Amino acid sequence: NAGVTQTPKFQVLKTGQSMTLQCAQDMNHEYMSWYRQDPGMGLRLIHYSVGAGITDQGEVPNGYNVSRSTTEDFPLRLLSAAPSQTSVYFCASSTQLWGATNTEAFFGQGTRLTVV
Amino acid sequence: DQQVKQNSPSLSVQEGRISILNCDYTNSMFDYFLWYKKYPAEGPTFLISISSIKDKNEDGRFTVFLNKSAKHLSLHIVPSQPGDSAVYFCAASAPSNTGKLIFGQGTTLQVKP
Repeated sequence: NAGVTQTPKFQVLKTGQSMTLQCAQDMNHEYMSWYRQDPGMGLRLIHYSVGAGITDQGEVPNGYNVSRSTTEDFPLRLLSAAPSQTSVYFCASSTQLWGATNTEAFFGQGTRLTVV
Repeated sequence: DQQVKQNSPSLSVQEGRISILNCDYTNSMFDYFLWYKKYPAEGPTFLISISSIKDKNEDGRFTVFLNKSAKHLSLHIVPSQPGDSAVYFCAASAPSNTGKLIFGQGTTLQVKP
């Protein structure tokens, strides 16, 4: 099983450029999310989706857009990249239920983005 | 406002000894807690979890303790091994935050041979 696949692994953008970070999962999970990891900040939730066609904002949504047209894919779009968006981005997927069972999130290997 | 805090950025222990990683939270609505381990250049991987109806959960060398009154949880690794050297994140979720995991800042554990 591939699990959660993120592409690309590395990317350098110029300020103002746009790009899409891809995320795909093959576990038929309803829930998917995007996090960014910054030094001293841990993992912060950007956007999440509880199913196809449904998305919502996390802790740090500004500057990012998402869509969920299929269960498998959850792309993250940067419309106009800024240096503050330099970070490592992780996509995660899980079953929908939280708190009631031993639910865990499966993470991709990450995308290291540098905006210059 | 950091709802989940790991106040120790780093921890160094000798191989074979116990490693204790701590995590504090402020939101009393959190009812499910998880620990993740992360190696460099890899995504976080699930380690162990605990529901708020329990105060302890054990899985092999890893044990998580939850003290709800103190809003504190800890991860014990016994015995520690060099392969345990990684960044450890605690995370919490609440029923009202369906789909959301709130992470701490992480603690870097180094286990010396």
